[in-house]
Formats: sequence, C-alpha cells, structure tokens
Amino acid sequence: KQEVTQIPAALSVPEGENLVLNCSFTDSAIYNLQWFRQDPGKGLTSLLLIQSSQREQTSGRLNASLDKSSGRSTLYIAASQPGDSATYLCAVVGNDKIIFGKGTRLHILP
Amino acid sequence: NAGVMQNPRHLVRRRGQEARLRCSPMKGHSHVYWYRQLPEEGLKFMVYLQKENIIDESGMPKERFSAEFPKEGPSILRIQQVVRGDSAAYFCASSPGSLGGTNTEAFFGQGTRLTVV
Repeated sequence: KQEVTQIPAALSVPEGENLVLNCSFTDSAIYNLQWFRQDPGKGLTSLLLIQSSQREQTSGRLNASLDKSSGRSTLYIAASQPGDSATYLCAVVGNDKIIFGKGTRLHILP
Repeated sequence: NAGVMQNPRHLVRRRGQEARLRCSPMKGHSHVYWYRQLPEEGLKFMVYLQKENIIDESGMPKERFSAEFPKEGPSILRIQQVVRGDSAAYFCASSPGSLGGTNTEAFFGQGTRLTVV
C-alpha cells in the first residue's frame, strides 16, 4: 500500500531564504509525482508534475526533483516571498490512484 | 475550456439530511475521482469512476456514501443521513484517460465544503 510522507509538517522562515520541502513514498512503482499548493479554505493549484522517467522540473522559482529508486522528491523554493505562504502537497500517481501526503504548512515571515 | 467545476462551493446540512455534491469534468474527460479532506488532514481517495462505471471504490465508507457518473451530466457524490463527522472538503478531479498513461494528468476542482450542523 502506497504511503506518502511529507517533512516537515510546518515550516516558518524569513522572507528571502531558499528552502526545501521533502516528500517520501513507499512504493517506487509510480507513474508520476505532482506538487500542489493549497491556500487556506481553497482548492488545489498544480505547481509541478514530474513524469517517472524524469529527474526534475522547474517553473520560475520552483524546482522539483524525483528519485524514484529511493522514493524521494524535493521541492526547492528560491528567494521565498510572503505570498508563498500556503500548504504544499506532494502526490504520487500509481494504479489509477493519486495518493497525497498530509502537506507542509509554509509560513514566510515578512 | 473550463476547468473542473464543482457545485455547490459551500453546503450546509443538518444531521440526518442528504448531501448531493456535483462535479462536471473538463471537456473531453471521461475519468472522475473523488477525494475527501478532513480538517488539518491530507486528501484521501474515495472513488474512481468512468462513464456509467465505478472502477475503484476502495476509499468509500461502506454505508451512506454513493457515487455515480452517468452517461449524460455531472458526477454526483451522495451522502445520506449526514453526521457531523462528514464535515469536510470534497474534491473532484478529472482526466482524459487512465492515470499512468503518457502525459495523462488529473485536474482538480475547487472543492465543495460541507458543513453538518
């Protein structure tokens, strides 16, 4: 049974810092991995999707990496801004099902 | 091409009433997934449907919950005799084909927030 774990559960950092969010999964038989952002009381915004054959994806200040063999992904946020404050969810796709982690609540201090 | 549309966005029901949540997938998408997010929790898979078929309902509670995706019209998640513990955000996603196909991605709606009073 696939399990997705995100560490840390919460993170507060000063504005301008670079930071890394971690995601691990127990079953390496995945099709792809996706990072989402969720603001309080809102829906999901897709940030990056990494196919299983890829190692990383970049969009603006965001970079996500995938190491399938070790069951790990990281989301790197460069030069953090207060507007980056949100919950970041990691999700893996396998067997027609998307399995989510519980998320990392990120607070960027102005 | 509108995204995945869920309605209502907010729904309040008294204990014992029925809740009906609707999800219209993106145009051309025939695969629908329902997820539930309890307060301070991640999203939990409930059910996966294709047109007129339930493919995987392993995440659905055994009682009071049902889902359908008819040939015409939106997918419906139905909760009978709601209880306070059903209060949650319910998200729907759709995809054009089976997840795991090349470049097949699921797109999520904005969710329906159910409050049982």
